[in-house]
Amino acid sequence: KAGVTQTPRYLIKTRGQQVTLSCSPISGHRSVSWYQQTPGQGLQFLFEYFSETQRNKGNFPGRFSGRQFSNSRSEMNVSTLELGDSALYLCASSLGTGVGEQYFGPGTRLTVT
Amino acid sequence: GQNIDQPTEMTATEGAIVQINCTYQTSGFNGLFWYQQHAGEAPTFLSYNVLDGLEEKGRFSSFLSRSKGYSYLLLKELQMKDSASYLCAVDLAYSGAGSYQLTFGKGTKLSVIP
Repeated sequence: KAGVTQTPRYLIKTRGQQVTLSCSPISGHRSVSWYQQTPGQGLQFLFEYFSETQRNKGNFPGRFSGRQFSNSRSEMNVSTLELGDSALYLCASSLGTGVGEQYFGPGTRLTVT
Repeated sequence: GQNIDQPTEMTATEGAIVQINCTYQTSGFNGLFWYQQHAGEAPTFLSYNVLDGLEEKGRFSSFLSRSKGYSYLLLKELQMKDSASYLCAVDLAYSGAGSYQLTFGKGTKLSVIP
């Protein structure tokens, strides 16, 4: 079974631009969660989607948004990029019902200059 | 709010046993996860505790005390490949079973030396 895939793996953007990251979960998984990882703050929860609906949301500004499609693939968007948005963005997929593991993708490394 | 504390770094010898502690203060709690993350790689799942007690899985065991806000990860028969960061995370989701909202500690960087 293929793992979680994320595209692109690396991205360089300038301040003020916007960016869209993509995550394809493991086949059969309906829940996708997004996390931001930085050396200073560690791993922080952004949001979780299940069956195309946002089910949980972390404490991030409205510039961070996401969506999920009917095939469970998810995208997250960051608008008006700031230098502090430079981070590794990880998505994780799980079944979404019952107790189960979350499987992380390899991440997208975003650098904002 | 949530506050999760783990030691920043630990060093242990190959073949030994190491215990990585995690304490948390949170207003809500569904369960506690441990993840392993090698440098430059994604976190991988190690264990999930929702009830008090010890969960054993091969060389790794995880313990939880909900009343004390305390967990630990025990690694036995350490191998060089166990050198990694170990992340403790509490699940705060209230959207039903299978819904996760993980709050992570900063991680403990474990170095295994010969």
